[in-house]
Parts: sequence; C-alpha cells; structure tokens
Amino acid sequence: NAGVTQTPKFQVLKTGQSMTLQCAQDMNHEYMSWYRQDPGMGLRLIHYSVGAGITDQGEVPNGYNVSRSTTEDFPLRLLSAAPSQTSVYFCASSRAGEYQPQHFGDGTRLSIL
Amino acid sequence: SQKIEQNSEALNIQEGKTATLTCNYTNYSPAYLQWYRQDPGRGPVFLLLIRENEKEKRKERLKVTFDTTLKQSLFHITASQPADSATYLCALGDNDMRFGAGTRLTVKP
Repeated sequence: NAGVTQTPKFQVLKTGQSMTLQCAQDMNHEYMSWYRQDPGMGLRLIHYSVGAGITDQGEVPNGYNVSRSTTEDFPLRLLSAAPSQTSVYFCASSRAGEYQPQHFGDGTRLSIL
Repeated sequence: SQKIEQNSEALNIQEGKTATLTCNYTNYSPAYLQWYRQDPGRGPVFLLLIRENEKEKRKERLKVTFDTTLKQSLFHITASQPADSATYLCALGDNDMRFGAGTRLTVKP
C-alpha cells in the first residue's frame, strides 16, 4: 500500500527553468492538495482539488499551475522557477467531506539557484 | 485575517513528564481541528481529530481538548518518551486546510 507518492525527492533548478512535481495516490481519494513548507512559516496551501477536473487556489498560488485529469494524479507545475520558490513541497490526499484526515507524501526538496 | 498560532516554537521536557502544546486560532469558526506529527525529512502524519461538540478526545497517551470559546486547542502527551520527539502541527479548515507553524518537542532521557 504505497499511499501518496511524490517524485522526485530532490531537485535543483536554475532560475527560469520549468518543472513538474509529480504526486500520485492509490487510495481512491477525491481530495488532493499541494503545500509548501518553509522554516518558521509552517505548511502553506498552494492549490487543491476536490475531484478530477476541479482545482482551486489556496493561500499562495502565484507561480504554480495544477491540473487534475485523473483521480490518482495531481501534478504541480512551476512554469518559470524563481529563488523564492526554494522550499519543501508536500502533496496530500483525503476522502471528500468533513472530518477527513490528510495523508501526506514525504515531500520534494526543491532548490532554485 | 485568519491566523493559527502555536505558541511555542520549541518545547523541551524530561522523559516521563506530560508535554502540553497549544494551538490558538483567530477569525475561524471550525467544525473540527486536527493534530499531526512530523518527523525530520518526512511528511506530516495524522494523529487526532476533535469536533467542535467534543471537549476532549483521547488516544492511548495522547489527549486533545478543544475550547471554541477561548478559540484554543491543547495537545497533551502523557508519560512522554524520547520517541515522542518530533514537530507537532495543528490544522483547521476543510478544502482549504491551514496549518500552524508547529511546535518542536524534544523529550530528554
């Protein structure tokens, strides 16, 4: 039972490069989300999706794009990486509705030079 | 604006003592609140959920309280062990779930 799988685990980019962070879950969860975690600032919500074909912005969406073509996958795209996007990125999933715990992947550590 | 504050960045306690972590929130009216544990280099792991109509919830050595008047949740670990050392996060919200910055707990033998 893999749960939430994020790839890659580590990545170094140059400013201006583009990249897609992958997230896949095998629990048939309707809800998926992306967070970034920076020291002293905790987890901040970037984008989320309540089902295939539906996405919405979170607290810090600028500079990131998402799409949800299948229930299992929720990729996060950086179109033109900036040093301010250096962070650890976490993907999470859960069943839809209230009172549902989030299941997290182990993160992608991204450095932008 | 909405805020979730975990009062202590770090908490150091002796093994066997009770650790108490605080989560305060403003401009929310949450139906429930969640607590997570995060170890270095790993994603958060869900521990407990408490609903607004529940004053207290227990799971083994863990206890959570939820005071909607004070807008506060307390997270207790009784008989703490060095293996309890981790960062603990509180979280509020539904589709747009928001997290506090976390409290790093260190339990010393």
